[in-house]
Amino acid sequence: GENVEQHPSTLSVQEGDSAVIKCTYSDSASNYFPWYKQELGKRPQLIIDIRSNVGEKKDQRIAVTLNKTAKHFSLHITETQPEDSAVYFCAPETGGGTSYGKLTFGQGTILTVHP
Amino acid sequence: EAQVTQNPRYLITVTGKKLTVTCSQNMNHEYMSWYRQDPGLGLRQIYYSMNVEVTDKGDVPEGYKVSRKEKRNFPLILESPSPNQTSLYFCASRPGSYNSPLHFGNGTRLTVT
Repeated sequence: GENVEQHPSTLSVQEGDSAVIKCTYSDSASNYFPWYKQELGKRPQLIIDIRSNVGEKKDQRIAVTLNKTAKHFSLHITETQPEDSAVYFCAPETGGGTSYGKLTFGQGTILTVHP
Repeated sequence: EAQVTQNPRYLITVTGKKLTVTCSQNMNHEYMSWYRQDPGLGLRQIYYSMNVEVTDKGDVPEGYKVSRKEKRNFPLILESPSPNQTSLYFCASRPGSYNSPLHFGNGTRLTVT
C-alpha cells in the first residue's frame, strides 16, 4: 500500500507568517492530491486539491504544489490567521490498480497560529 | 442539504456488546468509507465500498464489519467490541471512485469499557 509521511507534525507560527506542510508518498502512480483541514471537534473538510497534470494550484491564501518526480506535494498558507489553526491531513491517491479506493492519510500536522 | 449523517454522535458501551454505527448520505454517492481517528495516528481507513454490494478492507479492518445493501447507507458493525476500539469514527462519501474529495460525517465518539 501507499506509504504517506507528513512533516512537520506540529507547526507554530505568528499571525501573518507563512506556513508550509509537506506530504511525501511512495506510489509513483498517485494522481490525486488533496489536503483536508480539521478544526478542533469538527470533521475533516477539503481545503484544496490538485491532480497530477497540474504542478500548482492556488485559492486565495492557500496553495498546493506538486513534485511528481520527488513524490511529494506541499500545502502553503500565506498571511496566516488564528482561524487557520487546525490539524491538516494529506491523502494522496492512486486511481486504478489493485488498491483502487483504498486511502492512506498522513499522520496530520497541528498548525497553531498565534495572534 | 447535502450531507453525510452518522449516528450516534457519542456511544459508551461494554466489552463484547454488539453495536452498530449508522452512516447515511443523501448525495447519491457511489463511494463510501469508514475511518478511525486516534491521537498521533491520523485517519486510518477501516473499510470502503465502491458501490452497492461491493466492499473492501482498508488498513485496519480487524474487529469490524460493514454492509452496503443500499446506495445511501453504509453501517459499521462491531460484533464484539474491545477497549482498543475506543476511538473517534468518521464515515465519508464521494461521487466518483477517485479523483474527487471526501465528504465526512460529523463523527462518532465510541468508548468501550
